[in-house]
Amino acid sequence: ETGVTQTPRHLVMGMTNKKSLKCEQHLGHNAMYWYKQSAKKPLELMFVYSLEERVENNSVPSRFSPECPNSSHLFLHLHTLQPEDSALYLCASSQVMAGTYEQYFGPGTRLTVT
Amino acid sequence: EDQVTQSPEALRLQEGESSSLNCSYTVSGLRGLFWYRQDPGKGPEFLFTLYSAGEEKEKERLKATLTKKESFLHITAPKPEDSATYLCAVQARSGGSNYKLTFGKGTLLTVNP
Repeated sequence: ETGVTQTPRHLVMGMTNKKSLKCEQHLGHNAMYWYKQSAKKPLELMFVYSLEERVENNSVPSRFSPECPNSSHLFLHLHTLQPEDSALYLCASSQVMAGTYEQYFGPGTRLTVT
Repeated sequence: EDQVTQSPEALRLQEGESSSLNCSYTVSGLRGLFWYRQDPGKGPEFLFTLYSAGEEKEKERLKATLTKKESFLHITAPKPEDSATYLCAVQARSGGSNYKLTFGKGTLLTVNP
């Protein structure tokens, strides 16, 4: 595997279900991110982990719960979601160091909440 | 608050017809401006980082330029495989984090054969 991988690629869940999204980065980076991408809207940053510590949480509802067990893996736990949470969820990683800040994205998980 | 505006929202070109996409930004001290390409159903693919006004970067048929207020992505003699959504993002230097990118809504480019 290379780059950033995400599973599953597609997920359909009911409003009462609990599911998890998984992300793995193979780039040796030290920061990982969750973004939400909805139609006609810019990418929205949800969570940031740096060196396995959460450093940003952009007013995301508590029905989204991130977990970063190590520098290569990131999870997004989902429970009691709403239909408006249907979107493409993107994971990204970066190496935070002087002069280098570009983020590399995975293919995304297309989530549909019914 | 940092802002990024991309224009046009959509652009349709004939193969070989060169054009430019615009990214206007407002940021409290620019650390970097980033261009990404996104194909339908996929994650954004990193293209370029520009750090200071006057900087230019090229990759195949793409050239990105930067001024103090905007960036252009020039596409020379495009091919159908260049069809995608092109995203622009900025990162602030002052008062911001090392992590936050502010994205525009993107320009959907379609190149017809």
